[in-house]
Amino acid sequence: DIVMTQSPDSLAVSLGEKATINCKSSQSVLYSSNNKNYLAWYQQKPGQPPKLLIYWASTRESGVPDRFSGSGSGTDFTLTISSLQAEDVAVYYCQQYYSSPLFTFGPGTKVDIK
Amino acid sequence: EVQLVQSGAEVKKPGESLKISCKGSGYSFTNYCIAWVRQMPGKGLEWMGIIYPGDSDARYSPSFQGQVTISADKSISTAYLQWSSLKASDTAMYYCARLWGPAMVPNWFDPWGQGTLVTVSS
Repeated sequence: DIVMTQSPDSLAVSLGEKATINCKSSQSVLYSSNNKNYLAWYQQKPGQPPKLLIYWASTRESGVPDRFSGSGSGTDFTLTISSLQAEDVAVYYCQQYYSSPLFTFGPGTKVDIK
Repeated sequence: EVQLVQSGAEVKKPGESLKISCKGSGYSFTNYCIAWVRQMPGKGLEWMGIIYPGDSDARYSPSFQGQVTISADKSISTAYLQWSSLKASDTAMYYCARLWGPAMVPNWFDPWGQGTLVTVSS
């Protein structure tokens, strides 16, 4: 099984400042035949279902603000919020789909306003 | 618009059975997998299993194998998650989500249902 870890567990960032969330997989999620990383990021606000932000590790879903960006390859990935807005307060999860149809989520990172 | 609509909240007693549903619309239900995800109170997301409605092929997380059953009725575009004997530890929010691409091609989950809250208490 591919185990996903995230760091930090939580962080508080001032409005307009950068937030960085890390995600690590226990084995590579990079598929060599197409050079794609099978890694997605989701945002979950209180009382709401998760919302897709990024797939293929760095492709932003349509309608997602460009302050959200994903990077990384292999086993190490990062979600960056370049300028935190009040509406970005949420828990963020990474997910691997490399071992589909077995999927795993990271434990989540809570983002708050400092 | 692709949409998943889940059945309403349930309150059950330990030992009771339960079946919750997830109805898809706005796309060809038969061709896209539906996944189920558990979120216990104050906790993270746990993938439970997935079903391809086209042939009812279901796969389970080892953590949930034998604990729940996932099924689908493609004639009414609905997927199900069921328990034969609930425990208090089954208390959680349960989400369904569609695999973005067809069949079981590796993809992310989008969209998600609104969630079904299951409370198990004596």
